[in-house]
Amino acid sequence: KAGVTQTPRYLIKTRGQQVTLSCSPISGHRSVSWYQQTPGQGLQFLFEYFSETQRNKGNFPGRFSGRQFSNSRSEMNVSTLELGDSALYLCASSSAGGRTDTQYFGPGTRLTVL
Amino acid sequence: GESVGLHLPTLSVQEGDNSIINCAYSNSASDYFIWYKQESGKGPQFIIDIRSNMDKRQGQRVTVLLNKTVKHLSLQIAATQPGDSAVYFCAETRGGGSQGNLIFGKGTKLSVKP
Repeated sequence: KAGVTQTPRYLIKTRGQQVTLSCSPISGHRSVSWYQQTPGQGLQFLFEYFSETQRNKGNFPGRFSGRQFSNSRSEMNVSTLELGDSALYLCASSSAGGRTDTQYFGPGTRLTVL
Repeated sequence: GESVGLHLPTLSVQEGDNSIINCAYSNSASDYFIWYKQESGKGPQFIIDIRSNMDKRQGQRVTVLLNKTVKHLSLQIAATQPGDSAVYFCAETRGGGSQGNLIFGKGTKLSVKP
């Protein structure tokens, strides 16, 4: 079974631009979560989607948004990029997003904001 | 705020020795814990999990111990190998109801000397 895939793997943007990242979960998984990883803040939860609905959201500004499609694929968007948005963005999928459902991570998208 | 954290940022061990990575958590209501391994350039990889109704759980070469009294979690790796070199994160699920997002600790870098 194929793992979680994320595209693109690397992105370079400038301040003020917007960016869209894509995540394809493991086949059959309906929950997709997004995390931001930085050296200073570590891994932080952004949001979680299940059946095309955002069920849970972390403490990030409204510039960070996401969506999920009927095939469970998910995208996240960051608008008006800031230097501090430079990070590794990780997507994780689980079967149903339950508290004890194992989350499997993709390789991440490395975003650099100049 | 409540968080999951790691005491040691770096751990260096000799190949063949046992490794112990520690983690403290502050939320006494946490009931599910997970250890992830992250190699350079990859997303976190699930290693082992444990529920709060257990004190110990064993996998292949790994053991997780949970001490709820002092809110402490540890990961023991037997006969550490060079391939074990990575950053290890403990995490807990947190959230209302049946679903939850992962709250990660800061991570410990394990370096295995040949």
